[in-house]
Amino acid sequence: GDSVTQMEGPVTLSEEAFLTINCTYTATGYPSLFWYVQYPGEGLQLLLKATKADDKGSNKGFEATYRKETTSFHLEKGSVQVSDSAVYFCALSGDNNDMRFGAGTRLTVKP
Amino acid sequence: DAGVTQSPTHLIKTRGQQVTLRCSPKSGHDTVSWYQQALGQGPQFIFQYYEEEERQRGNFPDRFSGHQFPNYSSELNVNALLLGDSALYLCASSRGLGNTEAFFGQGTRLTVV
Repeated sequence: GDSVTQMEGPVTLSEEAFLTINCTYTATGYPSLFWYVQYPGEGLQLLLKATKADDKGSNKGFEATYRKETTSFHLEKGSVQVSDSAVYFCALSGDNNDMRFGAGTRLTVKP
Repeated sequence: DAGVTQSPTHLIKTRGQQVTLRCSPKSGHDTVSWYQQALGQGPQFIFQYYEEEERQRGNFPDRFSGHQFPNYSSELNVNALLLGDSALYLCASSRGLGNTEAFFGQGTRLTVV
């Protein structure tokens, strides 16, 4: 079945460092891909999405490009802030209309 | 716009009991999905409701059941609670079926003792 594998954490970075969180997927058909962020004690918030190959999703300085050839959707940010500390989830929504999530990557940004 | 709202926020139940969780979708949304998120894990899909019918179901036992009402709100029921059912239960709403983005509620933290 459809699945998502993302880079295990935790990831600890200094403020203004470059961030990459790797995400690869397995799916039949043509899924949509998402990154969600979860702050402590809260639900998931959509960070960005891409619905077809070569699409780039972007929001709040974060970017991810839908790469069909490598079945990847890596999350990047050029300069992280302390406020970016959270858990990040890669997810896909496939033909079955159920969303599959990765295990999550905890990011801690230190001043 | 109130977004997706879930109630209650926290709940403690005893093993063997039954529990009902509630969800109101975001305005304009007609599809509701439920997820179980164990501590330190990603959300796992339980089932999805659209037009008051269960459309898709994940790998969860029949103890997990649901309902969707004509106003699109939804309930998740869990019978014969086990300790392993302790988790954050998330409701997500979306518009129609297909590869659309889902908006999540804050979740209900269920603890089974």
